[in-house]
Amino acid sequence: DADVTQTPRNRITKTGKRIMLECSQTKGHDRMYWYRQDPGLGLRLIYYSFDVKDINKGEISDGYSVSRQAQAKFSLSLESAIPNQTALYFCATSDRDRGNSGELFFGEGSRLTVL
Amino acid sequence: GEDVEQSLFLSVREGDSSVINCTYTDSSSTYLYWYKQEPGAGLQLLTYIFSNMDMKQDQRLTVLLNKKDKHLSLRIADTQTGDSAIYFCAESNPSGTYKYIFGTGTRLKVLA
Repeated sequence: DADVTQTPRNRITKTGKRIMLECSQTKGHDRMYWYRQDPGLGLRLIYYSFDVKDINKGEISDGYSVSRQAQAKFSLSLESAIPNQTALYFCATSDRDRGNSGELFFGEGSRLTVL
Repeated sequence: GEDVEQSLFLSVREGDSSVINCTYTDSSSTYLYWYKQEPGAGLQLLTYIFSNMDMKQDQRLTVLLNKKDKHLSLRIADTQTGDSAIYFCAESNPSGTYKYIFGTGTRLKVLA
């Protein structure tokens, strides 16, 4: 099984609908992230969480919200989806231990299409 | 602000060497990374280099860092069709928030 699991992997929805993307991890990491990937733009950080009680906005948080339900679970919500939120979304985790490289571990992605 | 730039595409013939380049702006970055994204998959760390190093070699991969010019490169020797992927350069400064800045990604196409 994957260490970082995202659901759903693919979702097509309509403008104005509420969508939730879920992420769970078995790596025991404290830090979790949501990124968005668009062609030619690379990865942009939406939200990040360094522990259950710590939630921070990234560079493109408008139109999104998150919930850290437990150390292992971090969900991303689009309250009212719009077409320019069509993208590939990635959840990632990292270990807070400053002795390591800060490597990010990614899920396989959730492709969202908003019509 | 902080920025990481890469060219979008690179095409090489199988067996040749590939060189993917990246420039960054944050001189306080402690780690510089290369991530690989294969089709339909998430990113996976390929290699990384400390900012106090000039070069790192790992089998077919060679990373070169020019701190003066803020230039990072990834050389893949004997490129194979399985190396076809998107390669992302990234920087971070763990003394702060472990915040990553990713480049746009370079799509490497290996021609048989």
